[in-house]
Amino acid sequence: ETGVTQSPTHLIKTRGQQVTLRCSSQSGHNTVSWYQQALGQGPQFIFQYYREEENGRGNFPPRFSGLQFPNYSSELNVNALELDDSALYLCASSLSTGVNEKLFFGSGTQLSVL
Amino acid sequence: KQEVTQIPAALSVPEGENLVLNCSFTDSAIYNLQWFRQDPGKGLTSLLLIQSSQREQTSGRLNASLDKSSGRSTLYIAASQPGDSATYLCAVHGAGSARQLTFGSGTQLTVLP
Repeated sequence: ETGVTQSPTHLIKTRGQQVTLRCSSQSGHNTVSWYQQALGQGPQFIFQYYREEENGRGNFPPRFSGLQFPNYSSELNVNALELDDSALYLCASSLSTGVNEKLFFGSGTQLSVL
Repeated sequence: KQEVTQIPAALSVPEGENLVLNCSFTDSAIYNLQWFRQDPGKGLTSLLLIQSSQREQTSGRLNASLDKSSGRSTLYIAASQPGDSATYLCAVHGAGSARQLTFGSGTQLTVLP
């Protein structure tokens, strides 16, 4: 167990809807990163949050947005869902933003868009 | 743009065999390379992290090497066990994109009893 928890574990939505995924980081970790993993592929970086501010973003459109709260938990929001958004969404927390910091991943939220 | 490739995509071996998983990357300007394990429907577990100045890292039966100049890394698993069955992913932390890891698509390993 990594101490990183994600909710919900599974979610089914229809195209055009909005979704919010939640992540509780490991105690003492102030940095959260979100990744999208399509079936059979490696995870792709969505964005990172550090002390409640976005600290880097991958190649995802603005309808993917996030928040980090004072307790360092985080949300990923996706608007206007598309079929291609179906994937496993992973969050990872780390002690800081240092490049050699170990990442601790949650078990993910499996999102299906119909 | 950094690209990470893992070969083979799938591998099946009998228990007890030693095996090697391969990872290659296109841009040698990296901070580190990491190997992860992923069980079906689960998150990733960090196995080994090799900083750019290092050549290898070892943890138990696992040994990972890094050759930055050729853009290659290998993960060696000694005396494989059925419990090693999982997908193994390598990822690089590129110098030009310090906030993100770039992952390969993984090698799905099955160790047969």
